[in-house]
Amino acid sequence: GAGVSQSPRYKVAKRGQDVALRCDPISGHVSLFWYQQALGQGPEFLTYFQNEAQLDKSGLPSDRFFAERPEGSVSTLKIQRTQQEDSAVYLCASSPITGISNTEAFFGQGTRLTVV
Amino acid sequence: EDQVTQSPEALRLQEGESSSLNCSYTVSGLRGLFWYRQDPGKGPEFLFTLYSAGEEKEKERLKATLTKKESFLHITAPKPEDSATYLCAVQAPDSSYKLIFGSGTRLLVRP
Repeated sequence: GAGVSQSPRYKVAKRGQDVALRCDPISGHVSLFWYQQALGQGPEFLTYFQNEAQLDKSGLPSDRFFAERPEGSVSTLKIQRTQQEDSAVYLCASSPITGISNTEAFFGQGTRLTVV
Repeated sequence: EDQVTQSPEALRLQEGESSSLNCSYTVSGLRGLFWYRQDPGKGPEFLFTLYSAGEEKEKERLKATLTKKESFLHITAPKPEDSATYLCAVQAPDSSYKLIFGSGTRLLVRP
């Protein structure tokens, strides 16, 4: 596709419900990132994939958060037993090289998650 | 602690009124400073990367500059379509891929 695609664009979940957020990166992009953006704040790093390998998950807030990229393309961010503090926009980005140095990451439009 | 602080939080300009946005950072050994534009309901869009003090980059009405402690995004004769949130980020010192973002400056340019 032309850019990074995320679905759904909006998700309303009842507290305690599990959710799955999908990211389709730009075809051929090696690196994939997930960020969490609270209202009025800048994005915060969650996790990083290089192809199918999850090299860094240090930003995941708790063990309720899980991300995967099994075939090195599409990625899914799963949140179990959602809580109100999980409400945020979840951004996915991809990059054609390993890491981000010397190039930019292309961001998707994000998934706005609201936990009620 | 590695930190990025942007000011002001919000800025209102009249069309044609030039101004600057500030991004101050505390990070050991800057490896890259990034500027992004974010429109409502969209993801950040890359603008510039700066690597060393004294470096400048330009794109249309925008010019980014870098010193050892801060970066400025200068907007010359802005137009209403420049209205957006401008985000600054630095590359984390211990990572080749992690960005640390500031909270952004919300810019509104009135016609």
